[in-house]
Amino acid sequence: EDQVTQSPEALRLQEGESSSLNCSYTVSGLRGLFWYRQDPGKGPEFLFTLYSAGEEKEKERLKATLTKKESFLHITAPKPEDSATYLCASFTNAGKSTFGDGTTLTVKP
Amino acid sequence: NAGVTQTPKFRVLKTGQSMTLLCAQDMNHEYMYWYRQDPGMGLRLIHYSVGEGTTAKGEVPDGYNVSRLKKQNFLLGLESAAPSQTSVYFCASTDRVDTEAFFGQGTRLTVV
Repeated sequence: EDQVTQSPEALRLQEGESSSLNCSYTVSGLRGLFWYRQDPGKGPEFLFTLYSAGEEKEKERLKATLTKKESFLHITAPKPEDSATYLCASFTNAGKSTFGDGTTLTVKP
Repeated sequence: NAGVTQTPKFRVLKTGQSMTLLCAQDMNHEYMYWYRQDPGMGLRLIHYSVGEGTTAKGEVPDGYNVSRLKKQNFLLGLESAAPSQTSVYFCASTDRVDTEAFFGQGTRLTVV
């Protein structure tokens, strides 16, 4: 059974305090990983796609990296508007996706 | 451009009642998905479709049926609703498996 596990479940940071979120996976026929951001009461919004170990993607204060067993979402100098739930999801060539339970990030001013 | 639209946004059902959730996308996407999200959890895949006329089971398909008669629409049916199906349901679509999925605004379903 495919599994995607995210840690920690919740993370509280002070504005400007950098940190990382983890996503570990065991997926048969893995093609790649997505990172999404979800705000309360809304559907997820796409952030990144990662395909192979060693790959990195950046967007503003966020950088996603991928190894053979896990992915990290690094947040540099976060701002309160970065507060959200961050979800990672695996996908296969067959079109099937598996989401982790997410990490809820709170950034205090 | 509306993107992905879910109907209805909210619904309360009694145990044993049936209903259909409609997902419509105007981006000509091949792939469509139905997920449920329970409090504090990520999205769990119910059913998905890789093209018009196709459907496939996801992680939690029991108690649900789907149809994709038209490319732009993906319907999720509950034949006999149970309290365990109380959840927020999200529909998503994408044109390829490795490109971003666009999500609807969600349907909050309560079964009493």
